[in-house]
Amino acid sequence: AQSVTQPDIHITVSEGASLELRCNYSYGATPYLFWYVQSPGQGLQLLLKYFSGDTLVQGIKGFEAEFKRSQSSFNLRKPSVHWSDAAEYFCAVAEGYSGAGSYQLTFGKGTKLSVIP
Amino acid sequence: GAVVSQHPSRVICKSGTSVKIECRSLDFQATTMFWYRQFPKQSLMLMATSNEGSKATYEQGVEKDKFLINHASLTLSTLTVTSAHPEDSSFYICSASHGAQSNQPQHFGDGTRLSIL
Repeated sequence: AQSVTQPDIHITVSEGASLELRCNYSYGATPYLFWYVQSPGQGLQLLLKYFSGDTLVQGIKGFEAEFKRSQSSFNLRKPSVHWSDAAEYFCAVAEGYSGAGSYQLTFGKGTKLSVIP
Repeated sequence: GAVVSQHPSRVICKSGTSVKIECRSLDFQATTMFWYRQFPKQSLMLMATSNEGSKATYEQGVEKDKFLINHASLTLSTLTVTSAHPEDSSFYICSASHGAQSNQPQHFGDGTRLSIL
């Protein structure tokens, strides 16, 4: 069975500092990978996704992530964090892609980001 | 972008009550919808996969008679928590994907906070 590991439960950074959130996955084939962000009491918003092609993926809100097959990683980065980025971030891998567009997501346990003004 | 609406956002009710949660895809047809449960400070756990016009597929350990799922149309899936008890209190989130399009991410609703007294 596949799994997703987010090693950092909680990260605190100063506003304006750079950010990297780690994500490692275990999956037999080429994975479909996602990063989602969740504000308190809210649903999940998709930041970016990787299906194939360029391993450096650009997302919304200035985020990017790089797929490294050799390291089984898909780390999320942002060069300069804003106070509004404080939230919970979830990495996810898709399985069971049917070709009809449906698949199941397996989520990591999340990383809570706090931003110091 | 794709929007998924989930209603109600919050429910507080007495033990033994049945509660229905609606999940609607507002601007696309969702062949497949997913229902997740999220405990405080934890990740999302997939409960079931709902396909339009067919029975839902439940994950191991999820009681299908407790959590009734109906996906009667391409834009609406409902989750009914029957005879809810305090241990059913949780944050429930639905998601939907464009069933007819490949390589589409899941789009999430804003979740329903269910509190059983």
